[in-house]
Amino acid sequence: GAVVSQHPSWVICKSGTSVKIECRSLDFQATTMFWYRQFPKQSLMLMATSNEGSKATYEQGVEKDKFLINHASLTLSTLTVTSAHPEDSSFYICSARGLAGGQNEQFFGPGTRLTVL
Amino acid sequence: QKEVEQDPGPLSVPEGAIVSLNCTYSNSAFQYFMWYRQYSRKGPELLMYTYSSGNKEDGRFTAQVDKSSKYISLFIRDSQPSDSATYLCAIIVSSGGDMRFGAGTRLTVKP
Repeated sequence: GAVVSQHPSWVICKSGTSVKIECRSLDFQATTMFWYRQFPKQSLMLMATSNEGSKATYEQGVEKDKFLINHASLTLSTLTVTSAHPEDSSFYICSARGLAGGQNEQFFGPGTRLTVL
Repeated sequence: QKEVEQDPGPLSVPEGAIVSLNCTYSNSAFQYFMWYRQYSRKGPELLMYTYSSGNKEDGRFTAQVDKSSKYISLFIRDSQPSDSATYLCAIIVSSGGDMRFGAGTRLTVKP
């Protein structure tokens, strides 16, 4: 399958700082990228969907001013957690959908573990 | 009612056992069905993908969909310790639509 990378894989930061997570599709163009959050022993929860060149669509209950998403190119999307707090500590996973597979195939990144002290 | 229901387990079986993992869903408009495997602290990886009722087989894995009952299953034959992971079912309403995940079932295969 296609490859999606995330950077960094693990970040620890102090409360109140902002953290940027990158998601890249390495060998295909991702027309749509998704950002998920996963708390321990829980399933993935969709946070937002972004299409290249347009504003992201956020799920109900997700603060768009806190979780800034930029999908500037067909291979890169970024999630910025602004003024992070301990309750934002979670596993953030991106996925990408594009021309690499069928229209319904999403390829997931390895995830980024965020720990806010 | 959640759109996709999946028993989180945990499920523990001896090596060589047949494993049955199941999900139910509420929206009859769901058309595409996937099973993902997720190892600890890793992103999910796609195992199987189907869109019709019936069985789809790939090696030791068989995905089964019963649209009339809104029930999907994943069977693992001759389970191995390396199969120990969390298995998530995922469903899409329509082509290119958003994916909805089950809670995931934690499976441990003991040698």
